[in-house]
Amino acid sequence: SQTIHQWPATLVQPVGSPLSLECTVEGTSNPNLYWYRQAAGRGLQLLFYSVGIGQISSEVPQNLSASRPQDRQFILSSKKLLLSDSGFYLCAWIGQGPATEAFFGQGTRLTVV
Amino acid sequence: KQEVTQIPAALSVPEGENLVLNCSFTDSAIYNLQWFRQDPGKGLTSLLLIQSSQREQTSGRLNASLDKSSGRSTLYIAASQPGDSATYLCAVSHDRGSTLGRLYFGRGTQLTVWP
Repeated sequence: SQTIHQWPATLVQPVGSPLSLECTVEGTSNPNLYWYRQAAGRGLQLLFYSVGIGQISSEVPQNLSASRPQDRQFILSSKKLLLSDSGFYLCAWIGQGPATEAFFGQGTRLTVV
Repeated sequence: KQEVTQIPAALSVPEGENLVLNCSFTDSAIYNLQWFRQDPGKGLTSLLLIQSSQREQTSGRLNASLDKSSGRSTLYIAASQPGDSATYLCAVSHDRGSTLGRLYFGRGTQLTVWP
């Protein structure tokens, strides 16, 4: 079965510091992977998606970047965090076909101070 | 652009009640619709998925219906229990060729079931 691992679970970082959040997937190959952010009082916002190694598409301009160095690894990064980067970050795998559910990791709570 | 709305934003009911959560979407050309559950500080768990060609799906005490032409879905929870307390999210996806299956989410309904 498909499993998504995200780490760390919580993170408190000062403004201006770098960020690296990692997501790995088990139980599937060549997955489409997604990074979402959930801010307080707002819905889930799609940040990046990737259909394969080295292929990244960005939904909104922002202070973050993403990379996919391996088939089952998706990384969210920032060189210098802003206060507005605080939120709950979720990695997701969405398979092929109309009957395929989406699987989400347990999320990373990022607080920028 | 697809917009997904969920009503009500919050719901508090006594144990045992039957509930209906509502979801509407503006673009009816969807690929599928999913209902998720999110517990505080946790990720999303898929509850039910309805393909665009289907009308409803059932899992245990949960039943989700889809009226694609009117852009609506409902999640029915029978005989609610305190363990059902969570935020319920509705999401739709579109044709994979153009949007790669990305999900458009509503803001959720926060459900509290008290004993």
